[in-house]
Amino acid sequence: GAGVSQSPSNKVTEKGKDVELRCDPISGHTALYWYRQRLGQGLEFLIYFQGNSAPDKSGLPSDRFSAERTGESVSTLTIQRTQQEDSAVYLCASSPGARQTQYFGPGTRLLVL
Amino acid sequence: AQSVTQLDSQVPVFEEAPVELRCNYSSSVSVYLFWYVQYPNQGLQLLLKYLSGSTLVKGINGFEAEFNKSQTSFHLRKPSVHISDTAEYFCAVSSGGSQGNLIFGKGTKLSVKP
Repeated sequence: GAGVSQSPSNKVTEKGKDVELRCDPISGHTALYWYRQRLGQGLEFLIYFQGNSAPDKSGLPSDRFSAERTGESVSTLTIQRTQQEDSAVYLCASSPGARQTQYFGPGTRLLVL
Repeated sequence: AQSVTQLDSQVPVFEEAPVELRCNYSSSVSVYLFWYVQYPNQGLQLLLKYLSGSTLVKGINGFEAEFNKSQTSFHLRKPSVHISDTAEYFCAVSSGGSQGNLIFGKGTKLSVKP
């Protein structure tokens, strides 16, 4: 079956521009997570969606970051007015439910010039 | 707050040698523990997990890990590594909240040499 997919795989943008990253979770998975992986660092939790509940945004680093999810399907992570420190790999994961094994997508590598 | 420490950022080892990648965690509540592997230019793949029960957990590709509550450790081991095991390995703990987002260590790069 299909795994978690993300697009684009790579994105180069100029400082100050907005970017939108997409995640398609595994069908039937109710939980969806976004993480950020900076060079040489572990993954940092950004945001969590579970079904129709209000998302947990506690990991978002600033108000320039936002995310949406349509029901239990695709999610988009938007970064407004990008900064160079936003350069990282953004990873999406989905799981059948909360506190269950998470399956990761290949990530979107974002470079802000 | 929970945290994960991977003590070695890089581990070079010769093929067919044993390897241990160290992971320590801190948590005031019961935890779920995970090891993920990231091969070059690929996404994260689950190696193994500890949820409850036996403290010795076996995963894919011949890896195993042992949960030690008294030492708050979850070290990853393999008795004989292959070139193909060259990758970055991440230890993670599930947060105590109901959502279960993972808290990751900074990773250990395993380099297997012939």
